[in-house]
Amino acid sequence: DTGVSQNPRHKITKRGQNVTFRCDPISEHNRLYWYRQTLGQGPEFLTYFQNEAQLEKSRLLSDRFSAERPKGSFSTLEIQRTEQGDSAMYLCASSLDASGGPQETQYFGPGTRLLVL
Amino acid sequence: DAKTTQPPSMDCAEGRAANLPCNHSTISGNEYVYWYRQIHSQGPQYIIHGLKNNETNEMASLIITEDRKSSTLILPHATLRDTAVYYCIVRVGRYGGATNKLIFGTGTLLAVQP
Repeated sequence: DTGVSQNPRHKITKRGQNVTFRCDPISEHNRLYWYRQTLGQGPEFLTYFQNEAQLEKSRLLSDRFSAERPKGSFSTLEIQRTEQGDSAMYLCASSLDASGGPQETQYFGPGTRLLVL
Repeated sequence: DAKTTQPPSMDCAEGRAANLPCNHSTISGNEYVYWYRQIHSQGPQYIIHGLKNNETNEMASLIITEDRKSSTLILPHATLRDTAVYYCIVRVGRYGGATNKLIFGTGTLLAVQP
């Protein structure tokens, strides 16, 4: 098992541009989470998929943000019209909900660091 | 989910045990205690979790007090590579399609000194 992978690892963009990040979860993991982390803070939840269904979105996820998981495997997170405040580390995590909630453990990828100039 | 309180930073000498405390005085009976750590510029790494009983794995031990209002993560022989931010998270396990999102605080920065 190669773990959760994220691409790109780093992205620098100009304000107003669109960016897209990709997350490949651990194979057979049916749950996928996106988090955002700013400097000095812990990660904050953005959104969650069970298979291909997006079941929860945080109020942090403004209408400029959209996430997809079209076939229940990899996921993309797109930010349109980026702003300087979007600069952060974007983290993806996956888990297998086999036996039920309490034993679900999320495994994180290395993150994509976004800098908006 | 219950809130946790952790000291912002701690030091530990290399080779000694690191004991990281976490207070979760409002924890309820169906909430689990999870520990993750984050080494600089990497994603969080799962360490251990527990409900009532003490737990041990290859990375660490988790000691939960009898009243479950606090816990301690123990790294038995800290190395320089254990320098990281350690997060204590309390979470209800939700079944079915309900999210089990993690709510992180600011954690404890453990600095292992040579």
